[in-house]
Amino acid sequence: GQQVMQIPQYQHVQEGEDFTTYCNSSTTLSNIQWYKQRPGGHPVFLIQLVKSGEVKKQKRLTFQFGEAKKNSSLHITATQTTDVGTYFCGVGSGTYKYIFGTGTRLKVLA
Amino acid sequence: EAGVTQFPSHSVIEKGQTVTLRCDPISGHDNLYWYRRVMGKEIKFLLHFVKESKQDESGMPNNRFLAERTGGTYSTLKVQPAELEDSGVYFCASTRQVNTEAFFGQGTRLTVV
Repeated sequence: GQQVMQIPQYQHVQEGEDFTTYCNSSTTLSNIQWYKQRPGGHPVFLIQLVKSGEVKKQKRLTFQFGEAKKNSSLHITATQTTDVGTYFCGVGSGTYKYIFGTGTRLKVLA
Repeated sequence: EAGVTQFPSHSVIEKGQTVTLRCDPISGHDNLYWYRRVMGKEIKFLLHFVKESKQDESGMPNNRFLAERTGGTYSTLKVQPAELEDSGVYFCASTRQVNTEAFFGQGTRLTVV
């Protein structure tokens, strides 16, 4: 079945450093979504990418969809302690199922 | 607009007991998903309802898990009998359409001892 891998699994950064997580699919995607889960919280939708090569920005966050629509990245510029959490990519699988990547846990050291 | 609500927020049960989790999706959202996250690992898909119909239950671990969505409104997920490996956080999510923004509930933290 379809697999979605995220790297890295964990990332510790100093506050102010940049952070990037990558999401890689074994199959071509129609779209991809990104979610953030704070410690003890629930996943919260960040953004959806649909077009090949699409780039979207939300303040310090930059999201990119690969040209082949098989991978995506989330980049955070100048991390802050409020960025702590686990970032998941989500993709449609088959007709209806929606699955998530393995997640990247970000820890920001003040 | 009320969000997705889950009940209970926490449940501690003994091995062999039965537990029923409930999820109330956002009104008007036909798609309802159940997921499980174990020990901070990936969010694992369990199953997907469209209204009252199970569209995909390929992620259900075994026949000790039973999900229902009678009337296409709220859903329940029953675990009977519970085993130690069933511990984790069970999330419910709903979407208006397939492949649109998913709204998650706060989750039910299940601990089987």
